[in-house]
Amino acid sequence: EVQLAESGGGLVQPGGSLRISCVSSGFTFSSFSMNWVRQVPGKGLEWLSYISKGSSSIFYADSVRGRFTISRDNTKNSLYLQMDSLRAEDTAVYYCSRGGMVANLYNYYMDVWGKGTTVTVSS
Amino acid sequence: QSVLTQPPSASGTPGQRVTISCSGSFSNIGRSTVNWYQQLPGTAPKLFIYNNDERPSGVPDRFSGSKSGTSASLAISGLQSEDEADYYCAAWDDSLNGPVFGGGTRVTVL
Repeated sequence: EVQLAESGGGLVQPGGSLRISCVSSGFTFSSFSMNWVRQVPGKGLEWLSYISKGSSSIFYADSVRGRFTISRDNTKNSLYLQMDSLRAEDTAVYYCSRGGMVANLYNYYMDVWGKGTTVTVSS
Repeated sequence: QSVLTQPPSASGTPGQRVTISCSGSFSNIGRSTVNWYQQLPGTAPKLFIYNNDERPSGVPDRFSGSKSGTSASLAISGLQSEDEADYYCAAWDDSLNGPVFGGGTRVTVL
């Protein structure tokens, strides 16, 4: 079964750092691009970052550029998000998602999602 | 404020047809295909429509998507109670270099 499982969420103080992870199973991880998407409780979805299958292309949303770093380890079937300089407004459920196999980014979609990990930024 | 604009809510009685709109601009819907995600309460989003009008395996054919210019829509025909959920449209944005989402539409079955 194709699955994604996030971990590493928790409570962190403002200004602090946290690294969350996403481990995949049931598919060839190295063949797919990956993303991080978050959702503030009661609010909508916000895309944060994209990484291509070989890590050659990386994109960030303006809200996290310079503070968050996406990476992947294809030997461990894992995706990571290093979050620094955390703020209260970063409190959310963080989802990892798999990109669909598309010929170009104009047709991009996210076809597999994890269940999410909760990050709370508070003193 | 979301880049794509959706109505916050939509509703209908069982069996009715409900349509959700999604409005964008040339840099996103105007140049990219539109996808729709369903999120049931307390669960992760799920891909429901991709490439404007294609359904992944397991999605009922009561759901259909369309796109015209810089707008798109999701139609649910024969509304059922299990369709109560939040629905998000999304498309790649050329200017922002990433996917953008609508604010979501909560569908309620009366």
